[in-house]
Amino acid sequence: QKEVEQDPGPLSVPEGAIVSLNCTYSNSAFQYFMWYRQYSRKGPELLMYTYSSGNKEDGRFTAQVDKSSKYISLFIRDSQPSDSATYLCAMTLYNQGGKLIFGQGTELSVKP
Amino acid sequence: DVKVTQSSRYLVKRTGEKVFLECVQDMDHENMFWYRQDPGLGLRLIYFSYDVKMKEKGDIPEGYSVSREKKERFSLILESASTNQTSMYLCASRRTALHFGDGTRLSIL
Repeated sequence: QKEVEQDPGPLSVPEGAIVSLNCTYSNSAFQYFMWYRQYSRKGPELLMYTYSSGNKEDGRFTAQVDKSSKYISLFIRDSQPSDSATYLCAMTLYNQGGKLIFGQGTELSVKP
Repeated sequence: DVKVTQSSRYLVKRTGEKVFLECVQDMDHENMFWYRQDPGLGLRLIYFSYDVKMKEKGDIPEGYSVSREKKERFSLILESASTNQTSMYLCASRRTALHFGDGTRLSIL
């Protein structure tokens, strides 16, 4: 069993839809969670960095962490064609230092 | 903003060559990482470094080595390039969140 599981998709939605991207993990020691967006032929770009269980909002993006269920989500409201990318979840034991464990990435396409 | 700069976006080399991939970060981060990314396999950690002259093997270190002579610079070395090392190589640095460069797409012919 992989430490982090993420549905690879691809996921295709119409413009304006609410998108839900999800990851589950097996190691309850993970404390810090990140979401990255990766456009084709570019490096991953940090979207959200969270620690505690609950929700964190940044514009159209909301990151949700449920440590009791070992489940994290990224919600995108009013999705735009420019949101079409691969989204990666990542998690780690430590706030500073140490390596991250990544999900496989979910490919999202938002159709105009 | 954190900036991680990889020296080449695209590189073509021949089998058996020694290949150097260079990475520089401008945020005084102690931790630096090298990943490769392949379709269907996701991001795989090759090597990382916690400090100058310090290195740790990641999940797939075979065929690679690294050098960290200065805090801001982390180099990945392919000792004798092979075709199965054709890939996208990503450098990253970290204090809290991990920040990536734009990658080097390396082709070994």
